[in-house]
Amino acid sequence: NSKVIQTPRYLVKGQGQKAKMRCIPEKGHPVVFWYQQNKNNEFKFLINFQNQEVLQQIDMTEKRFSAECPSNSPCSLEIQSSEAGDSALYLCASSLPGYEQYFGPGTRLTVL
Amino acid sequence: GDSVTQTEGQVALSEEDFLTIHCNYSASGYPALFWYVQYPGEGPQFLFRASRDKEKGSSRGFEATYDKGTTSFHLRKASVQESDSAVYYCALGDLGGSSGNKLIFGIGTLLSVKP
Repeated sequence: NSKVIQTPRYLVKGQGQKAKMRCIPEKGHPVVFWYQQNKNNEFKFLINFQNQEVLQQIDMTEKRFSAECPSNSPCSLEIQSSEAGDSALYLCASSLPGYEQYFGPGTRLTVL
Repeated sequence: GDSVTQTEGQVALSEEDFLTIHCNYSASGYPALFWYVQYPGEGPQFLFRASRDKEKGSSRGFEATYDKGTTSFHLRKASVQESDSAVYYCALGDLGGSSGNKLIFGIGTLLSVKP
């Protein structure tokens, strides 16, 4: 069973609204990833962190998406102005450096 | 760029049948290869990985062997059960990379097993 906790499980927003989701990585895992899984089951990497530092992020993330992993607080992913195309399952994963990733159950975002 | 190809979009079997899901990859370096399984309403679960040529990964009766020559990592199970019904993803990643090992996933294969 996954030890990565994601909240909320479901999120419904109107276009233009902010959408924020949170992730608590597995204890002891310093590397955190965010992926977007669309309705066709395609995965898109968004951003990853090691401790509080961004390792890599895609261009899309730099514009409307923001993410952080503060110390002693959950990681978060926020969409500043939601669009219909952002409707997807947002998956958080964590790992030890150089090891396999363990995923949470995801936050299903629906943008009306 | 790097990519993963799963040739079967859907596989329908009966219990105790033999399973093969084909996975081929294209990568500029020497990636690690993974299999994940996703059940409805859940995130992907790690099955196993292999990091070098001819290494075999296995878990829960599933297995796959890293073949650098044919750039493949085919998933096999000798006797499937109804509870194996799920979507299976092949993925690759660079475990030693400085970018934190983001995964590149295949499109997934939906396995349906009839009792």
